[in-house]
Amino acid sequence: GAVVSQHPSRVICKSGTSVKIECRSLDFQATTMFWYRQFPKQSLMLMATSNEGSKATYEQGVEKDKFLINHASLTLSTLTVTSAHPEDSSFYICSALRLKDGSYGYTFGSGTRLTVV
Amino acid sequence: GENVEQHPSTLSVQEGDSAVIKCTYSDSASNYFPWYKQELGKRPQLIIDIRSNVGEKKDQRIAVTLNKTAKHFSLHITETQPEDSAVYFCAASIRNAGNMLTFGGGTRLMVKP
Repeated sequence: GAVVSQHPSRVICKSGTSVKIECRSLDFQATTMFWYRQFPKQSLMLMATSNEGSKATYEQGVEKDKFLINHASLTLSTLTVTSAHPEDSSFYICSALRLKDGSYGYTFGSGTRLTVV
Repeated sequence: GENVEQHPSTLSVQEGDSAVIKCTYSDSASNYFPWYKQELGKRPQLIIDIRSNVGEKKDQRIAVTLNKTAKHFSLHITETQPEDSAVYFCAASIRNAGNMLTFGGGTRLMVKP
């Protein structure tokens, strides 16, 4: 079945540093990748939508200069949290849109637990 | 944009009983409604989904109903088991209009043995 590999699964970084999270579709082409953030005991909140070869579309309230998204190929999308602060500590998860046989679905990565100290 | 409301936020049932979780959505153009089960620290797992051309779908102990007129859909779990304990999320999306999933707030289901 369709698999999205997300790395790293956990990362601890110092305040002010940057962290890159990768999502790679292993057996299908992900033309669209969604990036979500989930705080403890809360729902998944969409941060941005990226389409291969074009600029990402950010949701209201999400700083595009802080959360850099790159989707340079059909199998790789990255999210870089720049100048991370403790309030950026969260669970980040990607979701690839799968188009198949006239229908569509979503494949989630395994998530990245980011802790900023 | 789309807004999805989910109720209840917590649900406790006895093993063997049924559990029902309800969601409403705001955008009548939404046409895909998946339900996800998420365990702590893990990715959401799709347990069942329904598209707008169908009113009901069942898969063993799990069923989903959709009322397009009222813009609500529900998850039904029968014969609950302790391993059903998790957080459940409903979601909605509009095909060919971004396709992004909007999630409900989640329901923490606890099945007591």
